Amino acid sequence: EVQLVESGGGLVQPGGSLRLSCTASGFTFSNYWMNWVRQAPGKGLEWVANIKQDGSEKDYVDSVKGRFTISRDNAKNSLYLQMNSLRAEDTAVYFCATLGGVWSGFDYWGQGTLVTVSS
Amino acid sequence: SFELIQPPSVSVSPGQTASITCSGDQLEHKYVCWYQQKPGQSPVRVIYQDDRRPSGIPERFSGSNSGNTACLTISETQAMDEADYYCQAWDGSTVVFGGGTKLTVL
Repeated sequence: EVQLVESGGGLVQPGGSLRLSCTASGFTFSNYWMNWVRQAPGKGLEWVANIKQDGSEKDYVDSVKGRFTISRDNAKNSLYLQMNSLRAEDTAVYFCATLGGVWSGFDYWGQGTLVTVSS
Repeated sequence: SFELIQPPSVSVSPGQTASITCSGDQLEHKYVCWYQQKPGQSPVRVIYQDDRRPSGIPERFSGSNSGNTACLTISETQAMDEADYYCQAWDGSTVVFGGGTKLTVL
């Protein structure tokens, strides 16, 4: 059974940092592009970042470029999101998700971890 | 920047057909996916590559994409289909979601 389990969320002050983790099981993690998608309270989905199977390619939504860094450790079946210079508008549930294949969309999602940026 | 526009809400009676649209510039030249999200749950992919249905998704879910508009159609809508629905496409290497449509089954 495919499982994606996020962790690392919590309350952080504006300007602070947080590192999210996503631990994968039930599939060959190193074969998949991985993504972070977030959802602000009561709002819609927003794609945040993605990373290629070997970590050689990464991309970000404009609003987090220069502040967030996506990375992965295939030996640990883990995906990460380092979030620096956090703002109130970064408050959201952060989901990790697998890209099912070329143009196939996100086929597996974790349960999400809540990040709250507030003083 | 590339945007996907969805109606905020759609209502349908049980047993009828619901159609949710997603509009974007020259959208027919991009692959579109659709996701269902129920309150407190993670999204579930219901359509990918415009009109393909993942295993386990009921046949009453179908998709199309032509011109500037993609459409998710739910035939014989059931109460359990009440949820938020999001379209998604790619703009180069980045991903874009529509704003979401709340489907109410009354």
